[in-house]
Amino acid sequence: DTGVSQDPRHKITKRGQNVTFRCDPISEHNRLYWYRQTLGQGPEFLTYFQNEAQLEKSRLLSDRFSAERPKGSFSTLEIQRTEQGDSAMYLCASTTSGGRSGELFFGEGSRLTVL
Amino acid sequence: SQKIEQNSEALNIQEGKTATLTCNYTNYSPAYLQWYRQDPGRGPVFLLLIRENEKEKRKERLKVTFDTTLKQSLFHITASQPADSATYLCALDIGGSQGNLIFGKGTKLSVKP
Repeated sequence: DTGVSQDPRHKITKRGQNVTFRCDPISEHNRLYWYRQTLGQGPEFLTYFQNEAQLEKSRLLSDRFSAERPKGSFSTLEIQRTEQGDSAMYLCASTTSGGRSGELFFGEGSRLTVL
Repeated sequence: SQKIEQNSEALNIQEGKTATLTCNYTNYSPAYLQWYRQDPGRGPVFLLLIRENEKEKRKERLKVTFDTTLKQSLFHITASQPADSATYLCALDIGGSQGNLIFGKGTKLSVKP
């Protein structure tokens, strides 16, 4: 098992374009999280899935953001009509459920730059 | 709202000394707290978890304490090495919302040889 994989690692786009990030969690992990991190800040929760069900979305997640996990395995995070304020590192993490104390296994992140 | 503060944005220490990082929180009573290490351009890596009924947890040169009365966790690295230089994040369990964990801003530790 190679851990949590994210693709692409870097994305540069122009304002107004749509972007999509993919996350492949550790295979036996049924819980998957998306976080956003800007320079000098800690990871900020966006949303999480238990299997294919999206259980919670942050109030910070505008309507331009959508996440899916269609078969309970990989997940995608799409940002529509990107804005410069969307520039950040988008981190995916996975863990097993069954208790609230699971450590999160993070991917290396997808860095988005919106010009 | 929940608030997490890590004592300083940056901490510089000499190799061999003990680094002590602080995580303070308000407005919540977490069941557990976690510490992560993050290197530049990389995702965070889990280090330690401590539960509310545990006062102290150790792992090799790392030690974490958890004082639920003071609402504070201390993270110690003994016999620090330049390779310990990184940003250290504390993460708080907040129960059933926000996916269970919220993170502090982190403290950037620099260990000078």
